[in-house]
Amino acid sequence: QLQLQESGPGLVKPSETLSLTCTVSGGTISSVSYYWGWIRQPPGKGLEWIGIIYYSGSSHYNPSLKSRVTISVDTSKNQFSLKLSSVTAADTAVYYCGRTFGDSNYFDYWGQGTLVTVSS
Amino acid sequence: DIQMTQSPSSLSAFVGDRVTITCRASQSITSSLNWYQQKPGKAPKLLIHAASSLQSGVPSRFSGSGSGTDFTLTISSLQPEDFATYYCQQTYSIPFTFGPGTKVD
Repeated sequence: QLQLQESGPGLVKPSETLSLTCTVSGGTISSVSYYWGWIRQPPGKGLEWIGIIYYSGSSHYNPSLKSRVTISVDTSKNQFSLKLSSVTAADTAVYYCGRTFGDSNYFDYWGQGTLVTVSS
Repeated sequence: DIQMTQSPSSLSAFVGDRVTITCRASQSITSSLNWYQQKPGKAPKLLIHAASSLQSGVPSRFSGSGSGTDFTLTISSLQPEDFATYYCQQTYSIPFTFGPGTKVD
């Protein structure tokens, strides 16, 4: 059974860089059929798509975050990562990693989510 | 960006009720529409993809329909475990935007 697990600091200071890693187990991140991505959800609010990456490194980002976001992949570790720079309180959210299926791009597997709070 | 709206934003229902949630896109997204269920403190769960395809393992009381700009999620007979928030998502063009959610309580 495929499992995804987010990890990283739960508290980040304003203006610093948020860094999270998603570790994939029970399957390979190098599958040709899937992209891997991030979605976030501010407390009590809806879902925001951040971006996706293919095992080759090809990526697509939400234009509203593109200047601050980098998603990378490490196939040797079966992991992919999110970096979000210059964070503010508005970036406080539960961050989910997930697998998206092929050209359809729906998230069919999700991590449990990790809360990242931006505060000094 | 394609804007997604959902109606109603919340609804009250009883076990056994037929529940219908509507999702509308600001432009045509063909059938590139997915539905997720989210319970408090949990990750969303995929219910329906490509507007009407039931995800493996999802009960058949869930169904989706629509194309273009107007879509519907129907729960034929609401069960106790179905009380949750439901989100639609378009995957027609980046960014793959979500609707604001419909809370079923």
